[in-house]
Amino acid sequence: DGGITQSPKYLFRKEGQNVTLSCEQNLNHDAMYWYRQDPGQGLRLIYYSQIVNDFQKGDIAEGYSVSREKKESFPLTVTSAQKNPTAFYLCASSTRGAEKLFFGSGTQLSVL
Amino acid sequence: GQQVMQIPQYQHVQEGEDFTTYCNSSTTLSNIQWYKQRPGGHPVFLIQLVKSGEVKKQKRLTFQFGEAKKNSSLHITATQTTDVGTYFCAGDYTGGFKTIFGAGTRLFVKA
Repeated sequence: DGGITQSPKYLFRKEGQNVTLSCEQNLNHDAMYWYRQDPGQGLRLIYYSQIVNDFQKGDIAEGYSVSREKKESFPLTVTSAQKNPTAFYLCASSTRGAEKLFFGSGTQLSVL
Repeated sequence: GQQVMQIPQYQHVQEGEDFTTYCNSSTTLSNIQWYKQRPGGHPVFLIQLVKSGEVKKQKRLTFQFGEAKKNSSLHITATQTTDVGTYFCAGDYTGGFKTIFGAGTRLFVKA
């Protein structure tokens, strides 16, 4: 079945630690996105990538980094510079920009 | 920056009552999308509206895009308990690549 797979489902970060969230898609989509969701708020865009080896900052990129070495994969690293990382992280993909988004099941990140 | 405002934040209804959520943008949108997120789940695409004044229906759900392409609404007729969740609008702007989400309206349905 085609879809987007995020792992892990739950992740805990210690002080000063970098953690990486995985996102893999087999939909053959060019565009991939990372959103952050906080309780009672909408989805805020962290980074997006239109094609392999290219990515752009979203509205809240500080403290995060990404790579897009393969079309299928778009991992997100939450660095120690992100002081408030506790949130629900959603990865999405689309055939191209301004098209419907397909979301993964999300990763809940918490700070120990 | 570009923002999509969505109201209300919460809505409690009795099963069988109607429900409406509204989205508004200060600038013209190229299209607007609607998503539903069940509690504990991820957003799922419902529909995309592209044309000025467009109205689309999906069973009990009616979606509208304003004439100026700055506002949109989602109306649910005769809500059911299966309608519970958060409904998000998401707008795209001409020339942009980012989809901007509203804060969502969380719907509670009492049986």
